[in-house]
Amino acid sequence: EPEVTQTPSHQVTQMGQEVILRCVPISNHLYFYWYRQILGQKVEFLVSFYNNEISEKSEIFDDQFSVERPDGSNFTLKIRSTKLEDSAMYFCASMESTGLYNEQFFGPGTRLTVL
Amino acid sequence: DAKTTQPNSMESNEEEPVHLPCNHSTISGTDYIHWYRQLPSQGPEYVIHGLTSNVNNRMASLAIAEDRKSSTLILHRATLRDAAVYYCIPRGTGNQFYFGTGTSLTVIP
Repeated sequence: EPEVTQTPSHQVTQMGQEVILRCVPISNHLYFYWYRQILGQKVEFLVSFYNNEISEKSEIFDDQFSVERPDGSNFTLKIRSTKLEDSAMYFCASMESTGLYNEQFFGPGTRLTVL
Repeated sequence: DAKTTQPNSMESNEEEPVHLPCNHSTISGTDYIHWYRQLPSQGPEYVIHGLTSNVNNRMASLAIAEDRKSSTLILHRATLRDAAVYYCIPRGTGNQFYFGTGTSLTVIP
């Protein structure tokens, strides 16, 4: 069964450093997403991406964040200068199309720890 | 997007049915009702969705009220592996899924 994969599973970084979180969406999917979940809190939408551009973003997704699809398979989230409050689980998701009946497939997540 | 109300937590004995309710009184006529769950230390996973009619799949059943202002996810025989947080998500226009606080289901052996 196809699945979304994410690397690394756990990333530890120093405050102020740049991190790149990587995702490989399901191959025939066209819509890609990043969500985050701070420990003990809700899953929060960050950004959606389609046709090589951002289609929606939340207030959390400020200038410190960027996304890219550098090739035909990877989808990345970059945080330019990490803050302590960026510590969270980051989930990538993909979806075949945006029909209201379509489901999102989530990856296992990357745990980001900012020290 | 429609607001949802779910119980914070529920318990069930193993092998017994579980009914997880969700109120979504502000849902629009075209919103699909999706249910996802999040097992401990994992990403969310799709469970089921429906529009107006009741729906069944291999994981669960979804009962949708006639006025569509509420729905109930039914796990027919809870197993320990079903212990998770269950999210009811009305899916309207826009690409994002809004996750609320969900219902944390505990399955008692």
